Amino acid sequence: QSVLTQPPSVSAAPGQKVTISCSGSSSNIGNNYVSWYQHLPGAAPKLLIYDNNKRPSGIPDRFSGSRSGTSATLDITGLQTGDEADYYCGTWDSSLTGGVFGGGTKLTVL
Amino acid sequence: QVHLQESGPGLVKPSQTLSLTCSVSGGSISSGGYYWTWVRQHPGKGLEWIGYIYHTGSTHFNPSLESRVTMSVDTSKNQFSLRVNSVTADDTAVYYCARQGAGDYYLDYWGQGTLVSVSS
Repeated sequence: QSVLTQPPSVSAAPGQKVTISCSGSSSNIGNNYVSWYQHLPGAAPKLLIYDNNKRPSGIPDRFSGSRSGTSATLDITGLQTGDEADYYCGTWDSSLTGGVFGGGTKLTVL
Repeated sequence: QVHLQESGPGLVKPSQTLSLTCSVSGGSISSGGYYWTWVRQHPGKGLEWIGYIYHTGSTHFNPSLESRVTMSVDTSKNQFSLRVNSVTADDTAVYYCARQGAGDYYLDYWGQGTLVSVSS
C-alpha cells in the first residue's frame, strides 16, 4: 500500500476540469512540499508541479496544484485527449526518512 | 536538457544480485547540488522510492530496502548505479533513475525506466 492515497481513476470530457486528490499525514504532506508527475505508458515520468503549486518551465497553466493541511490536489482545466495518463503525487516523509508517492490516478478523457 | 538512461539485465534469477546503471547527459554529476535517485514501480502498482546517492558517494536508502541495497557513483563516466542483492519475485519492477535537487522534494528529470524481472 502506498503511503499517500489517491483515487485510482478519474474521468471527464474534453474541455472540462478534473481534480485529483492526494491524502497523507503530518509526517509527509503536512510538513513537506508536494510534487505531481504525469506518466504516459513507456515514457519517463514528467514533473508537473513542485513545491505544492509551482510549474516547471514549459508546463501549461492548465495544470495547477495546491496543498491544505495533510492533503494536496492537482487541477487540470481545459482537458485534452493528450492529458490521458497516470498522475502521481510525491513528497518526503520525515518519519520514514524517505521519499513517498501516491498509488497513482489514471485520468481518462472521455 | 538533462537526460537519464537506465541500462542493465532485464532478467535476474532469484537470490542473485540486480545491477543497473544510469547514464547522465546534459549535466555533470560531479558538479554537485543534486541527489541521484532510484525509484521503482511494481507491475500495476504505484511508485516506490529506493534511495539516492550524492556525487561524494553519500547515500540514503528506503529503510525497507536498506539491508539489500547499495549505490555507487562514477563521476568519470557520469554514471551512477544500483545493486539489490538477494532478489525475489517481489523485486520484479520497472526501475527508474531520476534527479532530485539537494534540499528539494521533487524529481525534475527521470529516465524512461527499465523492466527487471526476477525469475528462474
